[in-house]
Amino acid sequence: GAVVSQHPSWVICKSGTSVKIECRSLDFQATTMFWYRQFPKQSLMLMATSNEGSKATYEQGVEKDKFLINHASLTLSTLTVTSAHPEDSSFYICSARDSRGSTNSPLHFGNGTRLTVT
Amino acid sequence: KNQVEQSPQSLIILEGKNCTLQCNYTVSPFSNLRWYKQDTGRGPVSLTIMTFSENTKSNGRYTATLDADTKQSSLHITASQLSDSASYICVVSDLGGQNFVFGPGTRLSVLP
Repeated sequence: GAVVSQHPSWVICKSGTSVKIECRSLDFQATTMFWYRQFPKQSLMLMATSNEGSKATYEQGVEKDKFLINHASLTLSTLTVTSAHPEDSSFYICSARDSRGSTNSPLHFGNGTRLTVT
Repeated sequence: KNQVEQSPQSLIILEGKNCTLQCNYTVSPFSNLRWYKQDTGRGPVSLTIMTFSENTKSNGRYTATLDADTKQSSLHITASQLSDSASYICVVSDLGGQNFVFGPGTRLSVLP
């Protein structure tokens, strides 16, 4: 079945550095991918919608200059957390849906990336 | 405002027992309702997807119901197993299916 691969699964970085997270759709094309952030014991919060070949759409309150999104191909979207700070530590998850599917087709999620900023 | 509410917030049951999780939504116009299972530290996995015209859908021991008139859904788990311990998230999308509204989830713990 359809799989979304997210890498890395966990990363520890020093404050002030940047971290890139990759989200790949392995056996389908996705013109749109979604990035979420999840705090402990809370549900997913949509951060931005990544659109292949165009600019991402960010949710209110999400800094686009801090969370850079690039969707350069139909199977890859990246999220870069720039100048990370301890408060950016969180669980980041991506999702994607087959571009050829209907509006009722499954939304496939990656397994998430645990970011810890020290 | 489009919202999805879930109850209970958390639930503890004994292995082998059944349980029912609830989801109420105000998303309009409605396209579909999805139930996901999320294990700790993992991404959500789809259990069921239901459209306006569907009242019930099963996936193994999981059975979801939908009442589009009252805007309520339930997820029934039969003969629970230890591996059912997870968060269960209700997600509703609007017409067009591009906007997904996530519920806060129900955290289920199945004890031996």
